[in-house]
Amino acid sequence: DSGVTQTPKHLITATGQRVTLRCSPRSGDLSVYWYQQSLDQGLQFLIQYYNGEERAKGNILERFSAQQFPDLHSELNLSSLELGDSALYFCASSGSGENTEAFFGQGTRLTVV
Amino acid sequence: AQTVTQSQPEMSVQEAETVTLSCTYDTSESDYYLFWYKQPPSRQMILVIRQEAYKQQNATENRFSVNFQKAAKSFSLKISDSQLGDAAMYFCAYRSAWEANSKLTFGKGITLSVRP
Repeated sequence: DSGVTQTPKHLITATGQRVTLRCSPRSGDLSVYWYQQSLDQGLQFLIQYYNGEERAKGNILERFSAQQFPDLHSELNLSSLELGDSALYFCASSGSGENTEAFFGQGTRLTVV
Repeated sequence: AQTVTQSQPEMSVQEAETVTLSCTYDTSESDYYLFWYKQPPSRQMILVIRQEAYKQQNATENRFSVNFQKAAKSFSLKISDSQLGDAAMYFCAYRSAWEANSKLTFGKGITLSVRP
């Protein structure tokens, strides 16, 4: 158990809909990262939050947004869903400082039909 | 931008034998970290081993060891005494040592099968 909790584990929704993925980081970790794993693109970094503020942005679509709340949990919002958004979405967390590793949640499998 | 390349999509090894998974990367930074992650069918991303670029000594974790060649930008993973439980997808990943850029950049992964 990595200590990072993601909900839900599975999500099936229709095109055009909006969903919210939730992540609770390990206790004390200030950084939360979101990654997308798809068959054609591999594992891609989407966005990072650090102590409530956006720190880095990767290949995240404008239809996607995220936030980190005061209790440090994070949510990834995906809207106007398309078939190509079907993927495994991972959340990872890490502590502060250089010499810290990222711990991954079990992922949310999103299927858009 | 940093890139990570894993050119072998699949590999197979006999149980109890040794296998080496290759990875190359490209960066202009001098200080960084390299990782190997294992993803079994459960989908969980499990850290196998990490290497700090400033360390000349290759990292070792039980049956797992790396061959880190900084000048060649090469970072291979050696699995000794392969076990059936080692069957999984393995990802090589890069992380800058600069704290403000701590995201992981992954290779496309390699699927390792272990023959009994």
